[in-house]
Amino acid sequence: DAKTTQPPSMDCAEGRAANLPCNHSTISGNEYVYWYRQIHSQGPQYIIHGLKNNETNEMASLIITEDRKSSTLILPHATLRDTAVYYCIVRVAGNTNAGKSTFGDGTTLTVKP
Amino acid sequence: DSGVTQTPKHLITATGQRVTLRCSPRSGDLSVYWYQQSLDQGLQFLIHYYNGEERAKGNILERFSAQQFPDLHSELNLSSLELGDSALYFCASSPPDQTRGGRNTIYFGEGSWLTVV
Repeated sequence: DAKTTQPPSMDCAEGRAANLPCNHSTISGNEYVYWYRQIHSQGPQYIIHGLKNNETNEMASLIITEDRKSSTLILPHATLRDTAVYYCIVRVAGNTNAGKSTFGDGTTLTVKP
Repeated sequence: DSGVTQTPKHLITATGQRVTLRCSPRSGDLSVYWYQQSLDQGLQFLIHYYNGEERAKGNILERFSAQQFPDLHSELNLSSLELGDSALYFCASSPPDQTRGGRNTIYFGEGSWLTVV
């Protein structure tokens, strides 16, 4: 799996967009970018994933640069419940690889009132 | 609720003892993964089972073992426990291979808190 780099912490005002960056400069052509979050010692929760196109779902948007060396997770209207550790993971698709990912330290997002 | 069930939620035991953590994957999921998360380390992958067979090993100690049963539930056995084994142990599951679109999402349980005293 490609190594990822994330800032250790970020703050965001409630109701504003939270933009969480991730660098993955060694990503391979067949590797996807996945985002998970972990809310205070609960089990990590899947948010979104993408290969090279921008993706959006009910939780967030994922913007991947054209060279795929970095990406940004966007929470459009952050709430206090979005306070969590956010993990960016890069890996090849396929069940064999799904759980072996290195989660790293992630970014601790604190949403403030 | 992810659909992955782990028991017990909390467990306190003494050094040198042995414990068993249990995991029931989501209905239809064939893969089960075990992770360890301690205060000073991130989420560490331990082991992966697929339909009863071991598929991959991560940083799992020799004192630890796991198995997946025919009904697909899994158990993680931790023996000769040490203080440093105190951690949150997560189980996760994922559905059969869905390489199209890269959607091999893994679903985590709520974890089992193990405290070794």
